[in-house]
Amino acid sequence: AQSVAQPEDQVNVAEGNPLTVKCTYSVSGNPYLFWYVQYPNRGLQFLLKYITGDNLVKGSYGFEAEFNKSQTSFHLKKPSALVSDSALYFCAVRDPLYTGTASKLTFGTGTRLQVTL
Amino acid sequence: DVKVTQSSRYLVKRTGEKVFLECVQDMDHENMFWYRQDPGLGLRLIYFSYDVKMKEKGDIPEGYSVSREKKERFSLILESASTNQTSMYLCASTSSIWEQYFGPGTRLTVT
Repeated sequence: AQSVAQPEDQVNVAEGNPLTVKCTYSVSGNPYLFWYVQYPNRGLQFLLKYITGDNLVKGSYGFEAEFNKSQTSFHLKKPSALVSDSALYFCAVRDPLYTGTASKLTFGTGTRLQVTL
Repeated sequence: DVKVTQSSRYLVKRTGEKVFLECVQDMDHENMFWYRQDPGLGLRLIYFSYDVKMKEKGDIPEGYSVSREKKERFSLILESASTNQTSMYLCASTSSIWEQYFGPGTRLTVT
């Protein structure tokens, strides 16, 4: 079965500094990977996805993610963090064995990003 | 913009009560999902539906059932609520195999 791991419960970074939120995955076949963000008292919002092609994927709000097949990682990055980026971030992988039209996702446990002045 | 709404933001129920959580989407999406979110466990899929009256079990269906009588509405039912079902419940919908759109969530407390 597929899985994702987010090894850090919380990441702290100063505003203006680069940030990285880590994600590693385990899946049979080609991975389809996603990042979602959850702001306080809100549902999840889609940030970006990797399907195939360029290993550097650009998404919303200036975020990008780097796919590394040899390390089975899909780390989320941003060159310059903002206080407003403080939120809960989830990595997810699509079940490659599910052939239906529904996108059955497996989520990680989440990483809380805290950006301070 | 896609809008996914959930009937309640906060709900308090007693053990043994039957609980209905409603989710409505306005984008004619075929697929709808129910997750529960718990600290340290992330999101776990309870049930999903890929068409009206069609449903499939997710990873943690025990103690839950679902109903999809209309395309825009997907209901999660707790037949007899228990304290271990205290959680945040998130509904999502999608028309593709990629991005899911989430509602704001219902925080359910079972006492």
